[in-house]
Amino acid sequence: EAGVAQSPRYKIIEKRQSVAFWCNPISGHATLYWYQQILGQGPKLLIQFQNNGVVDDSQLPKDRFSAERLKGVDSTLKIQPAKLEDSAVYLCASSLDRAASGGLYNEQFFGPGTRLTVL
Amino acid sequence: AQSVTQLGSHVSVSEGALVLLRCNYSSSVPPYLFWYVQYPNQGLQLLLKYTTGATLVKGINGFEAEFKKSETSFHLTKPSAHMSDAAEYFCAVRSNNDMRFGAGTRLTVKP
Repeated sequence: EAGVAQSPRYKIIEKRQSVAFWCNPISGHATLYWYQQILGQGPKLLIQFQNNGVVDDSQLPKDRFSAERLKGVDSTLKIQPAKLEDSAVYLCASSLDRAASGGLYNEQFFGPGTRLTVL
Repeated sequence: AQSVTQLGSHVSVSEGALVLLRCNYSSSVPPYLFWYVQYPNQGLQLLLKYTTGATLVKGINGFEAEFKKSETSFHLTKPSAHMSDAAEYFCAVRSNNDMRFGAGTRLTVKP
C-alpha cells in the first residue's frame, strides 16, 4: 500500500514570496490533515479536511495560509506571503474516516513532510 | 482543551539499557493516547496507542507504555535500547477529535 506522498521535500524561499505544498493521501482515506512542525516542537494542526470539506481550521493563519482539497483526494497548502517564522516542516497526514468511526480512533498516517526555509 | 507535557527534551542511554520517556497529559474527557517516532527527514510513525481496555499497551520495536489515569501519565519504555532506537519521540493526546502533540524527546543511544 502506497503511503502519503508529499512534494516538494525541501523548499527555500525569501520572505514575502509565495510557496505551495502538495499532498496525496492514502487511497480511500477520507480525512486529510496539514500540520506545521517548527524545529524543537511537536506538530501543530493547521487544517483538517473531511473529503473536500473543512472540519477544523481554527489554527490556520488565514491572512497568509490557505488550503484546498477540491476533489476530496489530494490537497494543496499555500503560504502567501511567507514570513521568517513560517520556516518549519509541513506534514500531511490522512486517516480512513472520522465520521464512520463511531468515536473510535482512526490512525493517522504521515507523509515525509516538506521542509520550508524562509530567508 | 487537552495538553501534553514530555519531561526531558533529550534522553541519553547506553545500548542495552532501559529506555524511559515520560509523558503527562491533561484532558477533560477520557483521552486516546499515542506515541510516535520520527527518524531524521521522515514523517511520524505510530509506535503504539491506548484507546480503551488494557492499560498496558505493547507497540512495535519492543516498546510499551502504560496508561495510568490516577497519574495522568503514559510513559514509554523499552527494556533494552538498540542503536536503531535513536530518534525523536512524540507523545500525543486526542479527545473530541482534537489531536495535540508534546514537544518531543530526542533519544540518543550510546554504544
